[in-house]
Amino acid sequence: QVQLVESGGGVVQPGRSLRLSCAASGFTFSDYAMHWVRQAPGKGLEWLAVITYDGKNKYYADSVKGRFTVSRGNPKSTLYLQLSSLTAEDTAVYFCAREERRSSIYYLDHWGQGALVTVSS
Amino acid sequence: DIQMTQSPSSLSASVGDRVTIRCRATQHIRNYLNWYQQKPGKAPILLVYAASTLQSGVPSRFSGSGSGTDFTLTISSLQPDDFATYYCQQTYTTPLFTFGPGTKVDIK
Repeated sequence: QVQLVESGGGVVQPGRSLRLSCAASGFTFSDYAMHWVRQAPGKGLEWLAVITYDGKNKYYADSVKGRFTVSRGNPKSTLYLQLSSLTAEDTAVYFCAREERRSSIYYLDHWGQGALVTVSS
Repeated sequence: DIQMTQSPSSLSASVGDRVTIRCRATQHIRNYLNWYQQKPGKAPILLVYAASTLQSGVPSRFSGSGSGTDFTLTISSLQPDDFATYYCQQTYTTPLFTFGPGTKVDIK
């Protein structure tokens, strides 16, 4: 069965960096675009970034463009999110999710359990 | 940019009630609209995609409708397991997606 497991969360000081990982299993990772979504405490879902199946194209929400970098290692079936210049507003649970596509319809059909990032001095 | 709104932001209902949640886009998005359910401390779960197609395994009491700018998620008979927060998501601007602010459904 499809499984996505995030890791790498924790407490980090403002201005520092952190890398999250998302280990995928149960499907052919290299066939799918992958997304990152976050949720600040008590808030709604915020879409952050997407990377195409081959890693060649990446797109970001304006709120994180220039600070966050999405990448992937297809041989390792792993998705990454590099977070930099972190501020307290980046405190959130970060989810990875798989994109499914039917014709021109897109949706996120499998999600990881989330990794908590807390930015605090 | 396309913005998504949801109404109401929260509602209280009883088991067995019919519940309707609305989602509106600031521009026409055809049927590129998905619905997710999220329970506290858990990842979201896909309920409906393409505005009205039920994801495999989702109970038939859930249904989605709409096209253009106005969409609806309906729970025909609310069950105890349905108390959660529901989010709409537009994918018209793919590869960039946008979520609505969410609607929390709790017990009356």
